[in-house]
Amino acid sequence: AQSVTQPDIHITVSEGASLELRCNYSYGATPYLFWYVQSPGQGLQLLLKYFSGDTLVQGIKGFEAEFKRSQSSFNLRKPSVHWSDAAEYFCAVGSFTGGGNKLTFGTGTQLKVEL
Amino acid sequence: GAGVSQSPSNKVTEKGKDVELRCDPISGHTALYWYRQSLGQGLEFLIYFQGNSAPDKSGLPSDRFSAERTGGSVSTLTIQRTQQEDSAVYLCASSPWTSGSNEQYFGPGTRLTVT
Repeated sequence: AQSVTQPDIHITVSEGASLELRCNYSYGATPYLFWYVQSPGQGLQLLLKYFSGDTLVQGIKGFEAEFKRSQSSFNLRKPSVHWSDAAEYFCAVGSFTGGGNKLTFGTGTQLKVEL
Repeated sequence: GAGVSQSPSNKVTEKGKDVELRCDPISGHTALYWYRQSLGQGLEFLIYFQGNSAPDKSGLPSDRFSAERTGGSVSTLTIQRTQQEDSAVYLCASSPWTSGSNEQYFGPGTRLTVT
């Protein structure tokens, strides 16, 4: 069965600093990988996704992620964090079956941005 | 256009009562998913509907949980004889069926509290 590990429960960065959120996955085939963001009281918003092709994917809000098969990682990065980026971030792997993608989520990383 | 909507946004119920949670997916999306987000278990897949196919119920935690999707659109998640451990945020997501991309769009969730 697939699994996702987000080793950092909480991360604090200063506004303007760079950010990297770690994600490691376990999956038997080529994974479908996603990063979602959740602001307080809100649903999940997709930041970016990886299915195939270029291993560096660009997403919304200036985020990018790099798929590294050799490390089973899909880390999320942003060169300069804004105060509005404070939220919880979830990495997920999709199990594509029957036309759908059952997502297995990591436990999330809570990002705090210091002004 | 309109996103995924869920109702009610909050539900407080007494232990042992039945509850129904509703999800209106994005128009035209053939796939619909239910997830549960709780403090102890994180984000968990519950059930998945794809068109007229039999639903994938592999994530339902017990036979007290059931879901249906009428007319390929609206879905209702029913929890019978609620227990305190059912307290969680129940998230619904929908996606268009395409062969390569199964991006899921999430609703704001229903927060269920069992007293």
